[in-house]
Amino acid sequence: ETGVTQTPRHLVMGMTNKKSLKCEQHLGHNAMYWYKQSAKKPLELMFVYNFKEQTENNSVPSRFSPECPNSSHLFLHLHTLQPEDSALYLCASSQDLFSGRNEQFFGPGTRLTVL
Amino acid sequence: AQSVTQPDIHITVSEGASLELRCNYSYGATPYLFWYVQSPGQGLQLLLKYFSGDTLVQGIKGFEAEFKRSQSSFNLRKPSVHWSDAAEYFCAVGSRMDSSYKLIFGSGTRLLVRP
Repeated sequence: ETGVTQTPRHLVMGMTNKKSLKCEQHLGHNAMYWYKQSAKKPLELMFVYNFKEQTENNSVPSRFSPECPNSSHLFLHLHTLQPEDSALYLCASSQDLFSGRNEQFFGPGTRLTVL
Repeated sequence: AQSVTQPDIHITVSEGASLELRCNYSYGATPYLFWYVQSPGQGLQLLLKYFSGDTLVQGIKGFEAEFKRSQSSFNLRKPSVHWSDAAEYFCAVGSRMDSSYKLIFGSGTRLLVRP
């Protein structure tokens, strides 16, 4: 595997379910990100991790819970979601947060549908 | 605050025609600028980036962009569009917030290509 991978690619869940999204990067990067992309809305940065430490939480509801056990893996735990949480969830990674030159590499996303 | 504006939500061009996608940024210091492309249901892929030096930068898939400091612009161009270029295009600026950097994305421009 190369680059940034995300599983599952598609997920349908009920409002009472608990599920997790997984992201793995094979680039040796130290920063990882979760974005939400809804139809007709800009990319929303949700969480940022740098060297496994959370550095940003953009007022994301607590029904979204991130976990970064190491610099290569990032999870997004989901519970009691709402239909408006249906979106494409993108994971990205970059070398670190210390330079504006560090481009972000994106995974293919998980298409989440909440019924 | 730093921001990126993509004034065109949709653009339609005929295959073989030239293309220019507009991007304006607001950033106090020397900007680090990026263009990404997103095909339907996929993650974002980097097309090109500008940090310093020659203001005309070449990217992948035949794209180029020109940085114009006086106009705070970083427009993306392609001399001859192919049907496979139909996608959404995002401009981004590397923004310093406190002691770390992150990307600020524009809202995107959806490109439609007429046969």
